[in-house]
Amino acid sequence: EVQLVESGGGLVKPGGSLRLSCAATGFTLSSYSLNWVRQAPGKGLEWVSSISPTGSSIYYADSVKGRFTTSRDNAKNSLFLETNSLRVEDTAIYYCARGSYDILTAIAYWGQGTLVTVSS
Amino acid sequence: DIQMTQSPSSLSASVGDRVTITCRASQGINSYLAWFQQKPGKAPKSLIYAASRLQSGAPSRFSGSGSGTDFSLTISSLQPEDFGTYYCQQYDRYPLTFGGGTKVEIK
Repeated sequence: EVQLVESGGGLVKPGGSLRLSCAATGFTLSSYSLNWVRQAPGKGLEWVSSISPTGSSIYYADSVKGRFTTSRDNAKNSLFLETNSLRVEDTAIYYCARGSYDILTAIAYWGQGTLVTVSS
Repeated sequence: DIQMTQSPSSLSASVGDRVTITCRASQGINSYLAWFQQKPGKAPKSLIYAASRLQSGAPSRFSGSGSGTDFSLTISSLQPEDFGTYYCQQYDRYPLTFGGGTKVEIK
């Protein structure tokens, strides 16, 4: 069974940092692209970042470019999102989502999400 | 960026009704369109990919159609567990973009 479990969320002050993790089980991580998607309270879904199966290609939304960094460790079946210079508007549930065998593919599975709250 | 516009923004229907949600892309996206269902307080679930292909585990009463700029998601016979918000998303090019969502309520 495919499972994605996010962790690392919490309360942080504006300008602060958090490192989000996503642990994957039930499939071979190195074969699939991965995504981060977020959802602000009461709002819709917003794509944040995508990373190819090998990590050679990474894409970011303009709203996070230069502040967030996506990486993966296929040997440890894990995806990461380093978030820096956090803003109040970054407050959201952050979901890890699995694509398919290449970059730019449909999302098939979602994690349960981890909540990031940016507030003074 | 490609804008995705869903309609209606909300609907209320009875069990057994046929329900259709539409999604329009501001530019052609071939068939690179997905549909997701999200229930309150839960993570989204994947229903449809490539505009019309059913994701593994999604009920067969869900179907998708369209290509280019105009797409639709149809629930052939609405069930009580189908309440929630439905989102379309294009994956033709970056940035990936989602529609604003359609909230489905059961009468």
